[in-house]
Amino acid sequence: AQKVTQAQTEISVVEKEDVTLDCVYETRDTTYYLFWYKQPPSGELVFLIRRNSFDEQNEISGRYSWNFQKSTSSFNFTITASQVVDSAVYFCALSALGGSNYKLTFGKGTLLTVNP
Amino acid sequence: EPEVTQTPSHQVTQMGQEVILRCVPISNHLYFYWYRQILGQKVEFLVSFYNNEISEKSEIFDDQFSVERPDGSNFTLKIRSTKLEDSAMYFCASSVDRAYEQYFGPGTRLTVT
Repeated sequence: AQKVTQAQTEISVVEKEDVTLDCVYETRDTTYYLFWYKQPPSGELVFLIRRNSFDEQNEISGRYSWNFQKSTSSFNFTITASQVVDSAVYFCALSALGGSNYKLTFGKGTLLTVNP
Repeated sequence: EPEVTQTPSHQVTQMGQEVILRCVPISNHLYFYWYRQILGQKVEFLVSFYNNEISEKSEIFDDQFSVERPDGSNFTLKIRSTKLEDSAMYFCASSVDRAYEQYFGPGTRLTVT
């Protein structure tokens, strides 16, 4: 069985603060993929990043960075110098390649509010 | 940039009625999915579809649900006899391969009264 835990239900920061969203996953598969999606107030789900289980290299994209650590089964997401437009629900998700597992298993999401 | 589209954006139906939610996946994608999100909750997998057949389905996807790809572009989710608890946002997604990122449509908000 696969499971994704996002322990932070809500985070509120002031603009320009850095913020880290935590994600812990569980899977028995050795090959798997991790994702982050953003859901702004308008409701759509926007793909942010995909990582495979064999690549623990951290990734940076502009103000966004991701820290993947297999030793702690974590895939954390940091926003540097947050902006009001970053306000959204952020979902971490897992997809494993065991059997016919094509699906994404989502965490419950973290609501990030960035105040001006 | 190619995107997944869904129609309608909002559907209101009475309990016991049939509804069909429509999706047009990204054209070169081969894997198609339906997810749902009950208000304020997490996104839940319903079904995946590849090569004109269901590849996996969740416990939620019971006999009241069916999916179809009637032509080369549309992908539909049918709920035969809607229940109040079917009220949710339904998202269609597609991916070029099963391990790749899934791109989601804007969703159809289904309200069952």
